[in-house]
Order: sequence, then C-alpha cells, then structure tokens
Amino acid sequence: EAAVTQSPRNKVAVTGGKVTLSCNQTNNHNNMYWYRQDTGHGLRLIHYSYGAGSTEKGDIPDGYKASRPSQENFSLILELATPSQTSVYFCASGDDRGNSDYTFGSGTRLLVI
Amino acid sequence: QQQVRQSPQSLTVWEGGTTVLTCSYEDSTFNYFPWYQQFPGEGPALLISILSVSDKKEDGRFTTFFNKREKKLSLHIIDSQPGDSATYFCAARRGYAQGLTFGLGTRVSVFP
Repeated sequence: EAAVTQSPRNKVAVTGGKVTLSCNQTNNHNNMYWYRQDTGHGLRLIHYSYGAGSTEKGDIPDGYKASRPSQENFSLILELATPSQTSVYFCASGDDRGNSDYTFGSGTRLLVI
Repeated sequence: QQQVRQSPQSLTVWEGGTTVLTCSYEDSTFNYFPWYQQFPGEGPALLISILSVSDKKEDGRFTTFFNKREKKLSLHIIDSQPGDSATYFCAARRGYAQGLTFGLGTRVSVFP
C-alpha cells in the first residue's frame, strides 16, 4: 500500500543542536512537502520539492533546510534548533495532476528544550 | 494575514444532524480547494475536493459548495456520526506542485 512514512515519531532535541526529520514515500509522487502544525496557526508550508535534487522555499523556510536525495526521500534539517521550532511536523507527497490529493504522513512531534 | 479563513473554530452537533463549515479566501488565483479531516495523533486525510470550475461536489454524506464570485466555500456533512468528530481543514492551491495553504481548522464534536 502506498504510503508516507516519517521518522522519528517523537524527538527531543537540545537548543542549538542539529535535528534531521526523515520522510519516505512509496507513492511514486514527484512532489513532496514539509509542513508544521501549531495551535492557532494551522498547517504552514516550510519547504517543498518537485523531484530528486530540487528543493523550494515555502511560506516559513527560515531556520530550516531541506534535502531531496531521491524520489522517495525528503528530509527536513534544523541546523541550530530553537525552542520556537517545537511543533508537529508533517510530510506529504503529491503528483502533478491539477486536483491531486496529497498523502500525509503521521507526523513527527519535536520538542526543543 | 490568514489567506484562507475558516469558521467556526469549533462546532457541536447531535448525531443525525447536519454539520456546516465555511471558508473564505482573498487570492483569486487559487483554483483547487480540498477539505481535510484530521484525527488526534494522525496526519490530515483528504475528505473531498473541488476545482474552481465547479460549484458543487458530492461524495456520500459529504458535499462541498464553491462560490467563485464571493470567494467562499462550504462543507456540509449530513447525518453526522460520532465517528465524524475530528478537526476539519479547508485548503487552497494556486497551481501545480505549489503546496496547499490551509485554514486554521474547525473542531467538530458529534454527540450521540
């Protein structure tokens, strides 16, 4: 069954440390996305990718980097984690059709202390 | 500034009743509007979607209406069930592969 798998499911990080969130999709979708979800802000787009080797800035990219080494994998990197980056992060994949559905992963809950 | 505004923030419905959620937007370049359902601890899942060339789409108990002139859309859930209790998000997208812009969500509680 096609799916989007995120790891880890939960993560506690220290302020100033490096954090890497991983996402793997078996949907064979070209496009992948990273969102964060916070109470009062809904889901906000951080970075996205059109395919292997590409990354694009979303609406709130500051403090985040992304990497798309292959069709299946898309990582979100926090080089210097801050408490304000405590959130739930969702990865999604989608294809190029106009009314395409996005498939979301189950999320990574990140706590930066 | 919230590009996609959703109301109400929360809603309580009795089992068998009709749930109505609304959304509005400003950017006329948005052309695709999905509704997502999210249960606690899970990612959002597509419920129903509509393109800007249509004014209504129905899928079982779920119907979404789109008014291009007023830049508004709504989601109607008939015969609401306790299992429909979740947070519902409307979203919008401008073009292919550009990501979705989400509303803040409506928490729906359906009581038996």
